[in-house]
Amino acid sequence: DAGVTQSPTHLIKTRGQQVTLRCSPKSGHDTVSWYQQALGQGPQFIFQYYEEEERQRGNFPDRFSGHQFPNYSSELNVNALLLGDSALYLCASSFPPPTGGRYGYTFGSGTRLTVV
Amino acid sequence: AQKVTQAQTEISVVEKEDVTLDCVYETRDTTYYLFWYKQPPSGELVFLIRRNSFDEQNEISGRYSWNFQKSTSSFNFTITASQVVDSAVYFCALSDPNTGNQFYFGTGTSLTVIP
Repeated sequence: DAGVTQSPTHLIKTRGQQVTLRCSPKSGHDTVSWYQQALGQGPQFIFQYYEEEERQRGNFPDRFSGHQFPNYSSELNVNALLLGDSALYLCASSFPPPTGGRYGYTFGSGTRLTVV
Repeated sequence: AQKVTQAQTEISVVEKEDVTLDCVYETRDTTYYLFWYKQPPSGELVFLIRRNSFDEQNEISGRYSWNFQKSTSSFNFTITASQVVDSAVYFCALSDPNTGNQFYFGTGTSLTVIP
């Protein structure tokens, strides 16, 4: 049973560019959440997608946007990259709320984004 | 507002010692869930334990045990007879149904087990 799959694993971008990160959820899960983890910090919630719509959003600017496809996979897009966007981006899949929060997430290994 | 505090930034223990990781949380809600996750160098967050706010019974699961006390808003995690493979960063997290079940993570505790 495949877990959460994220691609690419590493990425280097130049300040001002745009980036797209991809996530395939664990089989049986239909909700995808994205988290940003800066070096030495805990993950911070970006947003959550369920039924192809953004359901919850954390304190992130509009430069961060996403999408969920009918097969439940998801993309995270970041425009106008800043040096401060350098981080590990984690995708987590779960059952939809409220069940999802009760049983927790399954996380992928993340995409390490470096902005230079 | 929800907040999770892990005061211990780094801990080092010698193999086979017991180690306790501290977690203090803040929430105004009566229904919430608490978790511990482990993050090895590979980056993936691995689920360890879960507790809901209505169940303060403390349990042992293999080498893992936890102490949940609502009176002090603490959810501490203990590894018994630590092993080198336990070396990782450990995160305590709070899930709140009132905010769409998003997770609030602490800043993590880096555990090093010395052989």
